[in-house]
Amino acid sequence: DAMVIQNPRYQVTQFGKPVTLSCSQTLNHNVMYWYQQKSSQAPKLLFHYYDKDFNNEADTPDNFQSRRPNTSFCFLDIRSPGLGDAAMYLCATSRGDRVLNQPQHFGDGTRLSIL
Amino acid sequence: RKEVEQDPGPFNVPEGATVAFNCTYSNSASQSFFWYRQDCRKEPKLLMSVYSSGNEDGRFTAQLNRASQYISLLIRDSKLSDSATYLCVVTSSGGSYIPTFGRGTSLIVHP
Repeated sequence: DAMVIQNPRYQVTQFGKPVTLSCSQTLNHNVMYWYQQKSSQAPKLLFHYYDKDFNNEADTPDNFQSRRPNTSFCFLDIRSPGLGDAAMYLCATSRGDRVLNQPQHFGDGTRLSIL
Repeated sequence: RKEVEQDPGPFNVPEGATVAFNCTYSNSASQSFFWYRQDCRKEPKLLMSVYSSGNEDGRFTAQLNRASQYISLLIRDSKLSDSATYLCVVTSSGGSYIPTFGRGTSLIVHP
């Protein structure tokens, strides 16, 4: 059974048209992450939440925003997608542990295409 | 120097071969280490955590060398289904929650 669920699996949007990607989890993990991954590259962390605390990576463009209304759900909003934003977007969760970092669990990803 | 470095490969091996990958990390305060497997156009999936004493899971063995700051993954008796990209993930001292990914090593197992 899927424990980290991303919707949709494939998203096509027009240049400049806002788009929202969603992620939900049944693991009750307190940490949620959003990554962008382009072909043959490592996943690039955009931001993460520890509980409700939002942590933005320094090089994440302002075009990318996120919301986490509750423990189970997290959204990635791309306000004005450009051609360079076409990528796989991965949501991941982990159990935050002050002593030892726990492994992440990934959703299937959303593949975003820009027309 | 990149924080986490991996040879991108590809490593092209015949079925049944033994293959090993290394991953070096630059932050000596790194504390948690993982190997993930990623199939083409799919999400990364946890293969195994890497413990200080080394650990084994079937045909897979992971080891950590803190002195030289690298981790390794050994795959014995390679199967066609082992073909994938293997991502090394390193996290600094506990509580940071920020894993750093290597770019991955591509493995191709052929008949």
